[in-house]
Amino acid sequence: RKEVEQDPGPFNVPEGATVAFNCTYSNSASQSFFWYRQDCRKEPKLLMSVYSSGNEDGRFTAQLNRASQYISLLIRDSKLSDSATYLCVVESQGNLIFGKGTKLSVKP
Amino acid sequence: DAGITQSPRYKITETGRQVTLMCHQTWSHSYMFWYRQDLGHGLRLIYYSAAADITDKGEVSDGYVVSRSKTENFPLTLESATRSQTSVYFCASSEPVGRGSGDEQFFGPGTRLTVL
Repeated sequence: RKEVEQDPGPFNVPEGATVAFNCTYSNSASQSFFWYRQDCRKEPKLLMSVYSSGNEDGRFTAQLNRASQYISLLIRDSKLSDSATYLCVVESQGNLIFGKGTKLSVKP
Repeated sequence: DAGITQSPRYKITETGRQVTLMCHQTWSHSYMFWYRQDLGHGLRLIYYSAAADITDKGEVSDGYVVSRSKTENFPLTLESATRSQTSVYFCASSEPVGRGSGDEQFFGPGTRLTVL
């Protein structure tokens, strides 16, 4: 089983849609979890950390299920500017392991 | 301005040549990292450093050398470039609040390297 797995997409959604991304990880001892955003030909940037209790930042909600080793990201009311690749990132043995990313394209 | 910079941003070289990619950060972060990003593989760790003069191999370190004589600089050298090292290289830094280096990392803009 790969350390961090994501559906590569692409997810093509209309503006205003709600879209959810899922991610699974293999190391049950992982302590830190993140979602990063990467725009085309740019560097990855932290979108949000993921906490056990779940956390929300505006239109974005992240959830962690430690028992199932599963992380999710929900984007409500999608904007054109949300178009990007979203990387699921999991700490493993002190380093960060990056998923291959899920590409989101929001259309007018 | 504070931040993390990489140079050059673009580089074309030939097989067998030595190439050095530079990374500089102004935050005095303890940890620095080098990743490569290829289609179908995502970001893969090449080397990381926990402090000056301390470096460790990552997942794909063969063919690469790093050094860290100063906290702010972390150059990556391809000793004899191969076509398979054509990639986008990202440098990152972090200042961990917990154990190890598993905290938020800040990335440089990347270097696009082509090996002919």
